[in-house]
Amino acid sequence: KAGVTQTPRYLIKTRGQQVTLSCSPISGHRSVSWYQQTPGQGLQFLFEYFSETQRNKGNFPGRFSGRQFSNSRSEMNVSTLELGDSALYLCASSLAQENSPLHFGNGTRLTVT
Amino acid sequence: GDSVTQMEGPVTLSEEAFLTINCTYTATGYPSLFWYVQYPGEGLQLLLKATKADDKGSNKGFEATYRKETTSFHLEKGSVQVSDSAVYFCALLTSSGSARQLTFGSGTQLTVLP
Repeated sequence: KAGVTQTPRYLIKTRGQQVTLSCSPISGHRSVSWYQQTPGQGLQFLFEYFSETQRNKGNFPGRFSGRQFSNSRSEMNVSTLELGDSALYLCASSLAQENSPLHFGNGTRLTVT
Repeated sequence: GDSVTQMEGPVTLSEEAFLTINCTYTATGYPSLFWYVQYPGEGLQLLLKATKADDKGSNKGFEATYRKETTSFHLEKGSVQVSDSAVYFCALLTSSGSARQLTFGSGTQLTVLP
């Protein structure tokens, strides 16, 4: 069974630009979540989607947005990039059951210059 | 709010040594608890889980027991290998209605020397 696939693996962008990251969940998983990982703040929750609806959102500015498609694939978008947005962005998928663990992809490394 | 406090690293051990990484949590209700491992340049891999008090999660020689009375979920391994060198994260999963969210500890860097 294929794992969570994130594309691209690496991105370099300039301040002020926008970026879109993509995530394909494990087959059969309908819940997709996104996390940001930085050396200073650690792992922080961005948002969770289920059946194309955002169920939960973390404490990030409105520049961070996402969506989920009918095939459960998800994208996240960051507009007006800032230097502080440089991070590893991790996508996770899970079954929509209360105690089901989240399975993570290898992430997209975003560098903002 | 929910939080996870994890043993500060880095931790350096010799091969075949005993490993303990402490993890305590604060949460309302009864969250599920997890340990994830991250190897360089990769994402997080689920190592083990426990969903209720006194559950013991185990995988690849690693173990952790969900202790409700001490709100702890310490990770242990009897004999570490060089290949266990990685960053280890303790996490709790909370559900609020239909929404689910992981809260992570700060991570513990483990280096095992041959």
